[in-house]
Amino acid sequence: DAGITQSPRYKITETGRQVTLMCHQTWSHSYMFWYRQDLGHGLRLIYYSAAADITDKGEVPDGYVVSRSKTENFPLTLESATRSQTSVYFCASSLQLRNEQFFGPGTRLTVL
Amino acid sequence: GENVEQHPSTLSVQEGDSAVIKCTYSDSASNYFPWYKQELGKRPQLIIDIRSNVGEKKDQRIAVTLNKTAKHFSLHITETQPEDSAVYFCAAVPYSGGYQKVTFGTGTKLQVIP
Repeated sequence: DAGITQSPRYKITETGRQVTLMCHQTWSHSYMFWYRQDLGHGLRLIYYSAAADITDKGEVPDGYVVSRSKTENFPLTLESATRSQTSVYFCASSLQLRNEQFFGPGTRLTVL
Repeated sequence: GENVEQHPSTLSVQEGDSAVIKCTYSDSASNYFPWYKQELGKRPQLIIDIRSNVGEKKDQRIAVTLNKTAKHFSLHITETQPEDSAVYFCAAVPYSGGYQKVTFGTGTKLQVIP
């Protein structure tokens, strides 16, 4: 769906490096989310944001940092990447918390 | 916080048969229950959702039932077709309280055998 995009789509990095995953949505949705998807764990919430400048931790926030200075952008930063952060990362947005979430295409991150 | 358990983790059915996936949740404050379908290599997409003021909702071959007393909800797919093969995720969202987050189940891989 062209309304929510993620970049890059694929990323290979090394342990200890800083990595930023970008997420952009064009609907002016209030809520934005970051999930990681690993086999056997489904979708686990890393961070979410209810509006610009309002963020909160999810289930697995350790090692990640987020910011939301503009409604349409919600970048996720791995400050010092570890192998355990190898995963597929999905960004999503929704009008309100109890509404349909629209997912981005995902970023496949490999940490060597 | 909320805990969502989803069963089974894998499910194989013959084309034309029905499939049922069940989820249980722990937080009685949860009142919105969406189901997402994720095809191989694609992003999750909403297929149906239900709110706690409704016991059942249908959309063509797909239905969801909710039992608030027992804290479980189920996805029912009738007359399954090969294109129904995918991973299905349930989720629970609370109405109020400090834990304002979406909790997903671990997913069910459905295989429809032609």
